[in-house]
Amino acid sequence: AAGVIQSPRHLIKEKRETATLKCYPIPRHDTVYWYQQGPGQDPQFLISFYEKMQSDKGSIPDRFSAQQFSDYHSELNMSSLELGDSALYFCASSVRTSGSLYNEQFFGPGTRLTVL
Amino acid sequence: KNEVEQSPQNLTAQEGEFITINCSYSVGISALHWLQQHPGGGIVSLFMLSSGKKKHGRLIATINIQEKHSSLHITASHPRDSAVYICAVLPLTGGGADGLTFGKGTHLIIQP
Repeated sequence: AAGVIQSPRHLIKEKRETATLKCYPIPRHDTVYWYQQGPGQDPQFLISFYEKMQSDKGSIPDRFSAQQFSDYHSELNMSSLELGDSALYFCASSVRTSGSLYNEQFFGPGTRLTVL
Repeated sequence: KNEVEQSPQNLTAQEGEFITINCSYSVGISALHWLQQHPGGGIVSLFMLSSGKKKHGRLIATINIQEKHSSLHITASHPRDSAVYICAVLPLTGGGADGLTFGKGTHLIIQP
């Protein structure tokens, strides 16, 4: 079965550079979530999108922005990178079902970002 | 205080032992996930549940909404079960696309 795809899998950037992470949800999934997991930390929710609209917002820095496109893939744009942005960035997807209050999230393999 | 507390933080057991990992949370939730993460690896969803009990192979997850508590059990544990097990909750809000709140994980090592 198709899973969530993230690219790139690894990314190395210098301080103050920009980075773009991509997430391709499971086919027919309409919701995408972004999470950040720092070294030795538990994942933290950043932002989510449903049907190309921002749905929920967590601890996403102002330097980061994200969007969901018409094909439901999502991109996380990170500017003015800092050393503390080094982390594993997970994307998850789900599909909203009628009458359901909650939808199981399926996670991608993550993008490991290293800021030097 | 974290909204999601897991215990134990670390657990080492012998192959074949019955494993229990506990999760307590302090907020109202719509659902709870049990996730598995291997070192340096991605996250795999094991269960999502909002009531009762679910079983998949050697894994069993239970939840008691009134007591705000969930447990993950592994029967006949095997070294390949060694991983970090994470409890994550979906807070009870009006949205259907809300982010999960994670516990800090339980590091499980199963020795041969």
